[in-house]
Amino acid sequence: EVQLVQSGAEVKKPGESLKISCEGSEYTFTTYWIAWVRQMPGKGLEWMGIIYPGDSDTRYSPSFKGQVTISADKSISTAYLQWSSLKASDTAIYYCLRRGKSSGGYPVNWFDPWGQGTLVTVSS
Amino acid sequence: QSALTQPASVSGSPGQSITISCTGTSSDIGGYNYVSWYQQHPGKAPKLIIYDVSNRPSGVSSRFSGSKSGNTASLTISGLQAEDEADYHCSSYTSSSTLNWVFGGGTKLTVL
Repeated sequence: EVQLVQSGAEVKKPGESLKISCEGSEYTFTTYWIAWVRQMPGKGLEWMGIIYPGDSDTRYSPSFKGQVTISADKSISTAYLQWSSLKASDTAIYYCLRRGKSSGGYPVNWFDPWGQGTLVTVSS
Repeated sequence: QSALTQPASVSGSPGQSITISCTGTSSDIGGYNYVSWYQQHPGKAPKLIIYDVSNRPSGVSSRFSGSKSGNTASLTISGLQAEDEADYHCSSYTSSSTLNWVFGGGTKLTVL
């Protein structure tokens, strides 16, 4: 079964750095885009960015560009989302999700599966 | 404010049908057949239930169906069941952002 397994919940103070992870299994990690989505408490979903682990091609939503860094280590089938200086407003659940492919192998515009989510709490 | 507009909440009784709308623009929903819907139960990750406007992934109940007219996409759930109570999020491809997808604000479905 194709799975994305994310790292565990984190509690951090404002100003601290953080890197959370998303490990893919049971598929060829390097040939599928991985996206990150934020869900703030009681709110909807927001696209943050996406990476192609095969060549590390990365795109960001304008709202998140410069605020986070998305990366991947294809040797261990893992994507990352990191912050250099957290703010209280970064408190949210973060999901990684795999972009689908057509039967012809082309990337499509739907995402499945999703990781289980990582809760990040930033509080002094 | 989300790029796509969904009602905050809808409700229905078991056995009834409900429809959740998702309104965008000609740069997203109206311009492409790339609308997807995700179901999210409390405390769980979202799950894909409709892709490319009206297609269901393997394993998703046929009670879920999707459609589109102009700039508005719709998710219909027929024969409502208690287990359908969840949040539903629409998403669309968009040409108006450097990251080519947008979400709606999500709709809370309550089964009365």
